[in-house]
Amino acid sequence: NAGVTQTPKFQVLKTGQSMTLQCAQDMNHNSMYWYRQDPGMGLRLIYYSASEGTTDKGEVPNGYNVSRLNKREFSLRLESAAPSQTSVYFCASSAGISYEKLFFGSGTQLSVL
Amino acid sequence: AQRVTQPEKLLSVFKGAPVELKCNYSYSGSPELFWYVQYSRQRLQLLLRHISRESIKGFTADLNKGETSFHLKKPFAQEEDSAMYYCALLGGGSQGNLIFGKGTKLSVKP
Repeated sequence: NAGVTQTPKFQVLKTGQSMTLQCAQDMNHNSMYWYRQDPGMGLRLIYYSASEGTTDKGEVPNGYNVSRLNKREFSLRLESAAPSQTSVYFCASSAGISYEKLFFGSGTQLSVL
Repeated sequence: AQRVTQPEKLLSVFKGAPVELKCNYSYSGSPELFWYVQYSRQRLQLLLRHISRESIKGFTADLNKGETSFHLKKPFAQEEDSAMYYCALLGGGSQGNLIFGKGTKLSVKP
């Protein structure tokens, strides 16, 4: 049982490049989330998907887009990467939007030069 | 506004000393609060939830509605407790699911 799987684990981009972070969960969870973790800022919600077919902005959505491809997969896209997007990105899932137990992926460390 | 505040970025204690990680919240309704922990090289995971009134790894947390606090406590810290701790509030609406504080890094020295 893999839980929440994120790829890639590490990525270095140049300013202006684009990339997609992939996330998949095998727990049949309805809700999925993308967070970024920055020193001194903690975890900030970028986007979330309460259920398949829906997505909503979180606290810091600018510069990102998401796709809930199906119930299992929720991707995060950076269209034109900026140095301010250097961060550790975490995908998470939960049984439902009102469930407090989130299951997290292992994170993607992204550096934008 | 729904908000979680962890005033300490870093808390350093010696092994065997008591530890208290502070968390204050702002929420108009009846809050549901949690502590998440991230050990080095491990995934963020749920430590405990206030509704369970449980003790996990010797940690407890009491919800104080009068002081709008949910501090995490342990009477005798261990080196393996060194980690990043996040207090979280079950929100909703435009803020999604859990609202996290900025986290407190606990360092337990031998």
